[in-house]
Amino acid sequence: GDSVTQMEGPVTLSEEAFLTINCTYTATGYPSLFWYVQYPGEGLQLLLKATKADDKGSNKGFEATYRKETTSFHLEKGSVQVSDSAVYFCALSVPSGGSNYKLTFGKGTLLTVNP
Amino acid sequence: GAGVSQTPSNKVTEKGKYVELRCDPISGHTALYWYRQSLGQGPEFLIYFQGTGAADDSGLPNDRFFAVRPEGSVSTLKIQRTERGDSAVYLCASSPTTSGRSSEQFFGPGTRLTVL
Repeated sequence: GDSVTQMEGPVTLSEEAFLTINCTYTATGYPSLFWYVQYPGEGLQLLLKATKADDKGSNKGFEATYRKETTSFHLEKGSVQVSDSAVYFCALSVPSGGSNYKLTFGKGTLLTVNP
Repeated sequence: GAGVSQTPSNKVTEKGKYVELRCDPISGHTALYWYRQSLGQGPEFLIYFQGTGAADDSGLPNDRFFAVRPEGSVSTLKIQRTERGDSAVYLCASSPTTSGRSSEQFFGPGTRLTVL
């Protein structure tokens, strides 16, 4: 079946540090890849996405590149801020049964950024 | 425009009781998903609706779980004879079907269910 493995947390960084959260996947078909973020007290929201190999998704200074050869979608940011403190989820969807794009999530990585 | 809403935000019940969790998707979104998130885990798929019909219920853990969406908008997740292992945050998400592979799912804030 489909699965996502992401870096275990928690991750603690100082402001302006470089961030990498690793994510690898296995999929039965050709997946779309996503990073979702959950800020404290808020619901899950999409951070970025990529739908085909070599695509780069980017948003709010975060980037991730769809690497089919290594089945990876690592999240990076050059300089984190305190406001980036949140739980980050890597996810994939493989179309099944027409328009069903159910998501398969990793376990999540808690990021804490200290001033 | 309003986002996805879920009620109640918290539900505490006793083992063996019946509970209903409600999801109000974004207006016009035809796709609706339910997920369950246990502590320290990512959300896990439960069921998918396209319009009024449950097109994929492969994630429902057993026959105590059931969901409906009678008019193609609001959905209710129903759990019979609750067990302590059902304690989790239940998330609802909706999506405009026409987005295809790049579909973004919009999540509600979740209902935290605690079974004592």
